[in-house]
Amino acid sequence: DTEVTQTPKHLVMGMTNKKSLKCEQHMGHRAMYWYKQKAKKPPELMFVYSYEKLSINESVPSRFSPECPNSSLLNLHLHALQPEDSALYLCASSRALAGVVETQYFGPGTRLLVL
Amino acid sequence: KQEVTQIPAALSVPEGENLVLNCSFTDSAIYNLQWFRQDPGKGLTSLLLIQSSQREQTSGRLNASLDKSSGRSTLYIAASQPGDSATYLCAVPLSSGNTPLVFGKGTRLSVIA
Repeated sequence: DTEVTQTPKHLVMGMTNKKSLKCEQHMGHRAMYWYKQKAKKPPELMFVYSYEKLSINESVPSRFSPECPNSSLLNLHLHALQPEDSALYLCASSRALAGVVETQYFGPGTRLLVL
Repeated sequence: KQEVTQIPAALSVPEGENLVLNCSFTDSAIYNLQWFRQDPGKGLTSLLLIQSSQREQTSGRLNASLDKSSGRSTLYIAASQPGDSATYLCAVPLSSGNTPLVFGKGTRLSVIA
């Protein structure tokens, strides 16, 4: 199983809503990532978790709150988003080997629209 | 700071043609380079990963080469098909370990039947 799943596929929310994005993998990967991709732009990193601990936060606004409750699951909690946060949110995972860079496997993404 | 550039930004070819997509990176001290495919509105599918010690990797009709010293990689697609139409992204890790990928802006490929 080399699949990363993401739910929901699409999400429409108002600026006062609270919602969560979910990402799951069962490949035994211990590194998980959130990327944000705007239309016609490449993905940009938001967060990296390594062994369920946040290792990189790319100065993301606090209205995005990541959570890694276990080694298979990664959540992104959304609150008080702005219309400019509308984008495709991609989750990825990889093996976490010290000093070695492994292939990152990406999920299909959640397309978010903030009204 | 690592920067990744892809040219051309868009490419349209007739079915059956062989084609080459280009990727360049500013810092040659990379650990590997990965090529992805992205269909409109979809996630990324990994096509090929070349380790820094390798010169090329092949998968079916795809062949990726890597020249670290010149900071370049190419993705060669043989006998293109309409199903190959997508955006192709190359990416390099920022550093070692559990590191984010730095992506190029991609090449949008259209293969016309």
